[in-house]
Amino acid sequence: DTGVSQDPRHKITKRGQNVTFRCDPISEHNRLYWYRQTLGQGPEFLTYFQNEAQLEKSRLLSDRFSAERPKGSFSTLEIQRTEQGDSAMYLCASSSLTGGITEAFFGQGTRLTVV
Amino acid sequence: AQSVTQPDIHITVSEGASLELRCNYSYGATPYLFWYVQSPGQGLQLLLKYFSGDTLVQGIKGFEAEFKRSQSSFNLRKPSVHWSDAAEYFCAVGAPGGYNKLIFGAGTRLAVHP
Repeated sequence: DTGVSQDPRHKITKRGQNVTFRCDPISEHNRLYWYRQTLGQGPEFLTYFQNEAQLEKSRLLSDRFSAERPKGSFSTLEIQRTEQGDSAMYLCASSSLTGGITEAFFGQGTRLTVV
Repeated sequence: AQSVTQPDIHITVSEGASLELRCNYSYGATPYLFWYVQSPGQGLQLLLKYFSGDTLVQGIKGFEAEFKRSQSSFNLRKPSVHWSDAAEYFCAVGAPGGYNKLIFGAGTRLAVHP
């Protein structure tokens, strides 16, 4: 297993454009998370999927943000009408559904720069 | 509300010196606690975790952490730092819900002098 994979690693976009990021979790993991990390800060929780169901969304996830996990495997995070404040590292993590909290494995992240 | 405080933004130590990174948390119940390390441009790697039991936990790369309930602390330690330990370190607490909704501190950036 190659771990959690995120694509692209870097994205530069103009303000107002839409962007989409992809996350491929560890294959046997049915829990998937998105976090956002701005410069000098720790990651902040955005949303959580258990299989294909999106079970929690943070208030940070404005209506310009949408996340999907259509078949309970990979996930996408789309940002519409990007703003400069969206510039951040977007991290995906996955964990297994075996009895409560277990270790979450993080991907290397997608760094978004909005110009 | 749950929160994590890492009082030290930057720490510089000499190679071979001991290290302690501080972490204080605010949580209404028995917490799940984690330390992650992040190298520049990389994702997060778990160093160690505390769920219950022995309050001194051992992790990878020679790190250990001690859970002190009375002080609401989970400080990370290493007896002898290597140059490759230079990175950013994040303390995190597991929030209620039974899954990995983690609340992170702002991080401590560690620099190691040769």
